[in-house]
Amino acid sequence: QKEVEQNSGPLSVPEGAIASLNCTYSDRGSQSFFWYRQYSGKSPELIMFIYSNGDKEDGRFTAQLNKASQYVSLLIRDSQPSDSATYLCAVNGAGGTSYGKLTFGQGTILTVHP
Amino acid sequence: DAGVIQSPRHEVTEMGQEVTLRCKPISGHNSLFWYRQTMMRGLELLIYFNNNVPIDDSGMPEDRFSAKMPNASFSTLKIQPSEPRDSAVYFCASSDQRTAQETQYFGPGTRLLVL
Repeated sequence: QKEVEQNSGPLSVPEGAIASLNCTYSDRGSQSFFWYRQYSGKSPELIMFIYSNGDKEDGRFTAQLNKASQYVSLLIRDSQPSDSATYLCAVNGAGGTSYGKLTFGQGTILTVHP
Repeated sequence: DAGVIQSPRHEVTEMGQEVTLRCKPISGHNSLFWYRQTMMRGLELLIYFNNNVPIDDSGMPEDRFSAKMPNASFSTLKIQPSEPRDSAVYFCASSDQRTAQETQYFGPGTRLLVL
């Protein structure tokens, strides 16, 4: 089992729709969860981070965390063509030498078509 | 404030040659990470430093890879000798582990092609 798994893509949604990206992780001790966006040929950039169970909203983006189910998701409302990118889920290590170390999922390619 | 700086941005070399990648972290950050990204394996952590000390190098593929951080503002990743399978994008990232937020900020990457 991979440490961080993301729903297989690619994901294609029409402009204006809600895009839902999902991620599961195996380390039950993980405390911090991150969503990065990576445009083709560019470096990953942080969209959101979440530490607590529940929802965290930032503009059109909502991150959801359920530690009991070891599940984190990212919802993008009113999707725009400019949201087309690869979305990477990252999970912080639980402790020891793993603290501060992020493990990334394989990424989900999102395409928003007009 | 300048972000993470990496050089060179592109490198083309021949198999067997030595390659040195350079990184300048964000000023004030005390942790630095080297990643490799390929289509097949995704984004993999190679090594990370905290306060210039290597903490975890379990991701370094083999002895051909080495990394140093002689001071808080500079790090190198060296591949000697290089092989075609080392072709990838190498990212450097930095973070401030002293804050509760461990967000990592990525540099623009170095695209390495080994012929």
